[in-house]
Parts: sequence; C-alpha cells; structure tokens
Amino acid sequence: AQSVTQLDSQVPVFEEAPVELRCNYSSSVSVYLFWYVQYPNQGLQLLLKYLSGSTLVKGINGFEAEFNKSQTSFHLRKPSVHISDTAEYFCAVRQGGSEKLVFGKGTKLTVNP
Amino acid sequence: NAGVTQTPKFQVLKTGQSMTLQCAQDMNHEYMSWYRQDPGMGLRLIHYSVGAGITDQGEVPNGYNVSRSTTEDFPLRLLSAAPSQTSVYFCASSYGGTTLYEQYFGPGTRLTVT
Repeated sequence: AQSVTQLDSQVPVFEEAPVELRCNYSSSVSVYLFWYVQYPNQGLQLLLKYLSGSTLVKGINGFEAEFNKSQTSFHLRKPSVHISDTAEYFCAVRQGGSEKLVFGKGTKLTVNP
Repeated sequence: NAGVTQTPKFQVLKTGQSMTLQCAQDMNHEYMSWYRQDPGMGLRLIHYSVGAGITDQGEVPNGYNVSRSTTEDFPLRLLSAAPSQTSVYFCASSYGGTTLYEQYFGPGTRLTVT
C-alpha cells in the first residue's frame, strides 16, 4: 500500500527566512502528488499538485515543490515566509488507478517575528 | 456556490449513542469521501464514494456506515459511538473519472465521545 512520510512534525522559522518541508512517498509506477494547507480551525485547501510534466510545480502563496522520482520525494519550499504562513501542511499521494488519497501526518509550520 | 458543507460543527456524544454527520456539496462532484483527523496521525480515509449508489471502505471503516443516494449528499453514520471515535471529521468532494481534480474539503465536524 502507498505510504507518505513527512519527515518533520514541527518546523519553526523566523519571518522572511526560507523554508523546506520534506515529503517522501513509497515507490510506485505512477503517482500524483499534492500539498494541502490547513489554517487553524479550518478545512484543507490545495496548495499545489504534480500530475505530470515539469518536475517543478508552483502553487499559491509563493510556494513551490519539486518532484524527484529517483528519491521518491516531493519537498515543499518557499524562499521567504510570512507570519500568515503559520499553518499545518500535508503531503498527499494518489497512486495511478486508485481513487484513494493517502496523507502524511502533517508538518506544523510556525513563523515567528 | 456553498462548496462542501458539514453539519454539525461540534457534537458531544455519550458512549453507545448513534448519530449522523451530514455532508453536502453543490458542485456536482461524483467523488466524495470522509476522513478523520487525529493529532499526529494526519488524515485517514474512512469511506468514499465514486458516484450515487456506490461506496467503498477506506483505511479505517470500522464503526462507521455510509450511503450515497444522491450526488449531493454523503452522510456518515456512527452506529454506537466509542471514545476512540473522538476526532475531527472532514468531508471532501471532487470530480471523478480518469482525470484528476483537486479535492475540496468541508470545514469539519469536531466530535467528542465521553
């Protein structure tokens, strides 16, 4: 079965610093990869997705992620974070041919002034 | 469009009670699903549906029932609540088929079982 590992449960950073949130998935022939963000007391919203094509994917709010097939990774990056980026971030994987979305356990990003 | 709506927002149940969490979407999405979110566990799929009349089990289906009689609605039933079902429940929907679309999430229902 497909699995997703988010390597850091909590990431504290200072405002305007760069950040990388790491995500690895178990290998599969074809996968589709997603990052979702959850602000406090809200549902999840899609940040970005990789379906095919260019391995560098840009999303909302200045976030981007790079699909690395050989390392089975899909790390999320932002060059300069804001206080408003404080939230929990979830990596998710859908295996080709499956309807199911498998989520990682989440990374809490805290941006400090 | 209201998107994905969930009711109630909060609920407290006693062990053994039953209840139904409601989920509705107005986007004509074929695919709907229920997740539970627990601290440090991420989101885990409970049940999902690829269209009216079709449902299937996810990762953690025990203790929950679903049915899908219309495209719009996908209620989740707790048959006999247990403290282990204390969680935040999210409903999500998306277009189905072979083309991948993003899942839209509702605001969640926070359930406490005492």
